[in-house]
Amino acid sequence: DGGITQSPKYLFRKEGQNVTLSCEQNLNHDAMYWYRQDPGQGLRLIYYSQIVNDFQKGDIAEGYSVSREKKESFPLTVTSAQKNPTAFYLCASRIGETQYFGPGTRLLVL
Amino acid sequence: DAKTTQPNSMESNEEEPVHLPCNHSTISGTDYIHWYRQLPSQGPEYVIHGLTSNVNNRMASLAIAEDRKSSTLILHRATLRDAAVYYCILWAGANNLFFGTGTRLTVIP
Repeated sequence: DGGITQSPKYLFRKEGQNVTLSCEQNLNHDAMYWYRQDPGQGLRLIYYSQIVNDFQKGDIAEGYSVSREKKESFPLTVTSAQKNPTAFYLCASRIGETQYFGPGTRLLVL
Repeated sequence: DAKTTQPNSMESNEEEPVHLPCNHSTISGTDYIHWYRQLPSQGPEYVIHGLTSNVNNRMASLAIAEDRKSSTLILHRATLRDAAVYYCILWAGANNLFFGTGTRLTVIP
């Protein structure tokens, strides 16, 4: 089945720790996105990538980093500089005008 | 980002039609109107999109006002599985979709 997978489903971070969220797609889409969603809120864009080896900051990139070494993969690292990382993180890919979302990763701080 | 205005919540009885409104008075000529929905603890799911003409697909219908300043998502027969947050989004080919807080639809059995 084609789609987007995110792992893990739940992730716990300790103070000062960097953690990496995985996003993989087998849809052969060039564009990929990371969004953050806080409770009761809409989605906010963290980073996006239009093509391999290229990515751009979104509206709330501070405290996050990404890489795009392969078309299928767009991992997001939440660094220790992100002081309020507790949220639901969503990865998406796009073809034409339609975005396809993964199931999300819920990040919690210990 | 072009903004949309939606009611915070709506209720519908099961198997009845639902009309979800969206106002977008600042829409530009190149903005497409997109609808996504998000079930609890899941990623958003594409529902439908259109530019000027009304659109139908297997999930829903999209009715667009003649001046394009408003639109309505129509679910023809609401089921319990349609309970979700529905987002109305304007997209002009920029690289991201701007998601507001959407409309939380409750379906009553």
